[in-house]
Amino acid sequence: AQTVTQSQPEMSVQEAETVTLSCTYDTSESDYYLFWYKQPPSRQMILVIRQEAYKQQNATENRFSVNFQKAAKSFSLKISDSQLGDAAMYFCAYAGSARQLTFGSGTQLTVLP
Amino acid sequence: GAVVSQHPSWVICKSGTSVKIECRSLDFQATTMFWYRQFPKQSLMLMATSNEGSKATYEQGVEKDKFLINHASLTLSTLTVTSAHPEDSSFYICSARAGQVNEKLFFGSGTQLSVL
Repeated sequence: AQTVTQSQPEMSVQEAETVTLSCTYDTSESDYYLFWYKQPPSRQMILVIRQEAYKQQNATENRFSVNFQKAAKSFSLKISDSQLGDAAMYFCAYAGSARQLTFGSGTQLTVLP
Repeated sequence: GAVVSQHPSWVICKSGTSVKIECRSLDFQATTMFWYRQFPKQSLMLMATSNEGSKATYEQGVEKDKFLINHASLTLSTLTVTSAHPEDSSFYICSARAGQVNEKLFFGSGTQLSVL
C-alpha cells in the first residue's frame, strides 16, 4: 500500500519569508499524481499544486512551487513571500492506479506578522 | 472552477437516529465520489469510494451497514450514518471526480456531525 509521510507536524514562517514543507511517499508504481492541499480554518480543502510523476519539470503556481525528486520519493512544497492568508493545515497527497487519494498527516503552518 | 455542494454543513442529532449527508456536483458529472472522515487536527481518512450505479467500495474497518452510501446519479451521492452514536461524531467530507483523471477532483465543504 502507498504511504505518505509528513514529518513536520508544525511549521512557522515570518511574513514575506520562504518556507518549505516536506513530504515523502512510498510506492511501487511508476505512474501517479502528487498533490498539495491547503485546509484553512474553514476546513474547505483547496488544491494548491499538483505534479504528474512522468513530468520531470517541477510544478509551479505563482508563489508555490514543488521540488519533486522521483528517485528519492520526495515532494516538498516551497511557499515564497509568505502571506498571512497562507496560514493553514497543508496536506500532501498521492494518487496512483487506484485513483484515490492517500493523504499525509498534515503540517500546520503558522505565518507570523 | 467546478463546484461540489455538500449539505448540511453541520448537524446535531440524538444517539440512535440516522443522518443523511448529500454531496452534489453542480456543474459536471461525477463518475466517482469519495467520502472521507476527519477527526480534529488529523488527516482525512478515506471511508469509501462510490461509482454511479454500482455498490460503494468500503475501506477496511468501515462498517458498510452503518455508513450507507448511495450514488444514484452522476451528480449526487449520499452518505447515511445509521443509528448514530457519539463516537460517530466527526467531520465528513466528500469529493467528486470528473472523468478518470485525478487532476479533476473537487471537494465539498464538509459536514460536522455531532451526536448527543
